[in-house]
Amino acid sequence: GAVVSQHPSRVICKSGTSVKIECRSLDFQATTMFWYRQFPKQSLMLMATSNEGSKATYEQGVEKDKFLINHASLTLSTLTVTSAHPEDSSFYICSARELKPETQYFGPGTRLLVL
Amino acid sequence: LAKTTQPISMDSYEGQEVNITCSHNNIATNDYITWYQQFPSQGPRFIIQGYKTKVTNEVASLFIPADRKSSTLSLPRVSLSDTAVYYCLVGDWNTGFQKLVFGTGTRLLVSP
Repeated sequence: GAVVSQHPSRVICKSGTSVKIECRSLDFQATTMFWYRQFPKQSLMLMATSNEGSKATYEQGVEKDKFLINHASLTLSTLTVTSAHPEDSSFYICSARELKPETQYFGPGTRLLVL
Repeated sequence: LAKTTQPISMDSYEGQEVNITCSHNNIATNDYITWYQQFPSQGPRFIIQGYKTKVTNEVASLFIPADRKSSTLSLPRVSLSDTAVYYCLVGDWNTGFQKLVFGTGTRLLVSP
């Protein structure tokens, strides 16, 4: 199947700083990517849909000013957690949408720990 | 959004066939059914996708009855490494493309 990468795989930061997470589709172009977060022992929760060349669409309850998403190319989407706080500590996972057939492939995830 | 219901957990032994059934009573005409596997601290891995009848690949089979209100993922001869959480998802085409909303998944434990 198609390959999606994320960088970094884990990051530790101080409260109040911003953290950028990259999501890349390595062997296909993705006009649409998705960002999820997952807390321990819970399922994945969709945060936002990232569309190449346009604004992201956020799910209800997700602060767009806190979780900035940029999808500048067909292979790269970034999620920036601004002014991170300990409650933002989580596992962030991206996915990229491949067409024909319509399938989503997920990245390996990024573990964020805010101290 | 189509919702899915699956057993929270299942137990099996090495070498056995495992069948995980998922209910999706409100599936829409355009929706596909997709199954993912997730290990701890990893992103979900695509297993199989289907629309109707039966789909088979090198790792699993997916059985979908004519009414499409349920589906069954079949894992032949499981091994210890198949211990994971399995998610059944039905796409939401309201936004023009398939937006996946994860349910609780099924936690499969394979024992020696």
